[in-house]
Amino acid sequence: RKEVEQDPGPFNVPEGATVAFNCTYSNSASQSFFWYRQDCRKEPKLLMSVYSSGNEDGRFTAQLNRASQYISLLIRDSKLSDSATYLCVATSGGYQKVTFGTGTKLQVIP
Amino acid sequence: DADVTQTPRNRITKTGKRIMLECSQTKGHDRMYWYRQDPGLGLRLIYYSFDVKDINKGEISDGYSVSRQAQAKFSLSLESAIPNQTALYFCATPTGQGVGDTQYFGPGTRLTVL
Repeated sequence: RKEVEQDPGPFNVPEGATVAFNCTYSNSASQSFFWYRQDCRKEPKLLMSVYSSGNEDGRFTAQLNRASQYISLLIRDSKLSDSATYLCVATSGGYQKVTFGTGTKLQVIP
Repeated sequence: DADVTQTPRNRITKTGKRIMLECSQTKGHDRMYWYRQDPGLGLRLIYYSFDVKDINKGEISDGYSVSRQAQAKFSLSLESAIPNQTALYFCATPTGQGVGDTQYFGPGTRLTVL
């Protein structure tokens, strides 16, 4: 079993739709969590950190559920420019262990 | 100018050749990392360095070596390249010292080993 698991998708959604991704992690010692966005053949870029209390940045909302060991990303009012692969990241051990999920591909359709 | 640069951006080489991938960062960070990305496997950590004198193996270090020439430079070498090292390689540098910091990635090097 992978330490960080994501549904690879693709998720094909129309513009304006709301879409949610989940990511599960198996290491209960994981301390910090992030969502990165990666465009095709480009480097990953930080989308947002994920806090226990949940956090929101514009159309994006991230949640952490430590009891069930998953994090989620909700995108509201999807834009064509949101089309990308979204990577879930869990870290532990003072950043000595950084584990990326394989990514979930989102395609927003006109 | 980009904060993290990688050279070359693309490289095709033959089995058995020695290859060096270079990474430079202008952010002044102490930590630097090398990852490879393969379809279906995600990003995997090869080596990481906390400072010039502190280099550590990551998840998949076999077949690779690194050199931290200065705070700003971290090179990855494939001593004798093999086809299953064909991948997209990223250099990254975290913002700080703690678990909560985030990583800035270079643009990547696409390596093909024939």
